[in-house]
Amino acid sequence: DTAVSQTPKYLVTQMGNDKSIKCEQNLGHDTMYWYKQDSKKFLKIMFSYNNKELIINETVPNRFSPKSPDKAHLNLHINSLELGDSAVYFCASSQQGRNQETQYFGPGTRLLVL
Amino acid sequence: QKEVEQNSGPLSVPEGAIASLNCTYSDRGSQSFFWYRQYSGKSPELIMFIYSNGDKEDGRFTAQLNKASQYVSLLIRDSQPSDSATYLCAVNRWRNTGFQKLVFGTGTRLLVSP
Repeated sequence: DTAVSQTPKYLVTQMGNDKSIKCEQNLGHDTMYWYKQDSKKFLKIMFSYNNKELIINETVPNRFSPKSPDKAHLNLHINSLELGDSAVYFCASSQQGRNQETQYFGPGTRLLVL
Repeated sequence: QKEVEQNSGPLSVPEGAIASLNCTYSDRGSQSFFWYRQYSGKSPELIMFIYSNGDKEDGRFTAQLNKASQYVSLLIRDSQPSDSATYLCAVNRWRNTGFQKLVFGTGTRLLVSP
């Protein structure tokens, strides 16, 4: 069974389009994350939800809107895509609580904006 | 100063040698420390975590933490070509909101030659 899954795996689209990425985890974790990994491989957190509540919202353009319908799912909608949005987007999940906060990553969504 | 700093490498070692990967962090309030391995085109996978000063061993891997020096390292004994990957150091900070935030270094690329 896949622990953290993402769809789609690849996404190629034109500038100005709107697209969504979906993430699901079956680990029973209460916290989910979106990370962006750029071409230089730097992995940076964008958002985090705990039990459907937004708890981390880094400096991200408001074209990016996360949504968590329940604690097992976290989606990311991106409006008006720009060239600079091209990156790999990783979803991750963890359980809050000291000494159990290891984050597990999904396979990533490779977004290419043309 | 970056929150988590790593030498980008590549670090080249012959098969069978010990690979030593280093990481420094800036926030003295950091509580827990993680090493992730990322193969090209894949997602980060956890190798080890460490919370207390000293050494922690798991098979061929040893994590070392020195909070006074704000330094964490990963030793890989008997390096194998399959260990060739980028190793990401991550530092967990408990924020005043009560939730964690994982900050990654830019990673060190390790090349193990047969």
